[in-house]
Amino acid sequence: QKEVEQNSGPLSVPEGAIASLNCTYSDRGSQSFFWYRQYSGKSPELIMSIYSNGDKEDGRFTAQLNKASQYVSLLIRDSQPSDSATYLCAVNTNAGKSTFGDGTTLTVKP
Amino acid sequence: KAGVTQTPRYLIKTRGQQVTLSCSPISGHRSVSWYQQTPGQGLQFLFEYFSETQRNKGNFPGRFSGRQFSNSRSEMNVSTLELGDSALYLCASSYGRETFFGQGTRLTVV
Repeated sequence: QKEVEQNSGPLSVPEGAIASLNCTYSDRGSQSFFWYRQYSGKSPELIMSIYSNGDKEDGRFTAQLNKASQYVSLLIRDSQPSDSATYLCAVNTNAGKSTFGDGTTLTVKP
Repeated sequence: KAGVTQTPRYLIKTRGQQVTLSCSPISGHRSVSWYQQTPGQGLQFLFEYFSETQRNKGNFPGRFSGRQFSNSRSEMNVSTLELGDSALYLCASSYGRETFFGQGTRLTVV
């Protein structure tokens, strides 16, 4: 089992729809959770961080964390073609080690 | 504030050679991490340096090494290059729990 697993994708949604990206992790000691967006040929860009159970909203993005279920998700409301990218889930343990999922590629169709 | 700067951006090396990549973190960031990204393996953690000390290490062979200087700038070195070392090498700097990536160095081994 991988330490961080993301839904394999690719994921395709129409413009204006909600895109839902999911991530599970195996280390119960994980404390910090991040979502990165990576456009093709570019480096990952941090878009959301979440540290406690519940929801965290930032504009059209909502991160959700459930530590009991070892699950973190990212919702993108009113999806735009510019949201088309690969989304990486990252999990940090207390020791500071970062582990990334393989990413989910999202395509938003006009 | 300047972002994470990596040099060079692109590099072509021959099997058996060695290579050194450089990274300047965001001003004030003392933690620098290195990652290898390939289409098949995703984003994999190489090592992390904090205040000139290696704090975490991933599962890479000893041919991969790094160091950090007193000004937090970091270098990574790969000796005896193999074809499989062709990848995007990403440097990231951290302050607190959030991590920011540089643009990467695209290494091609021929």
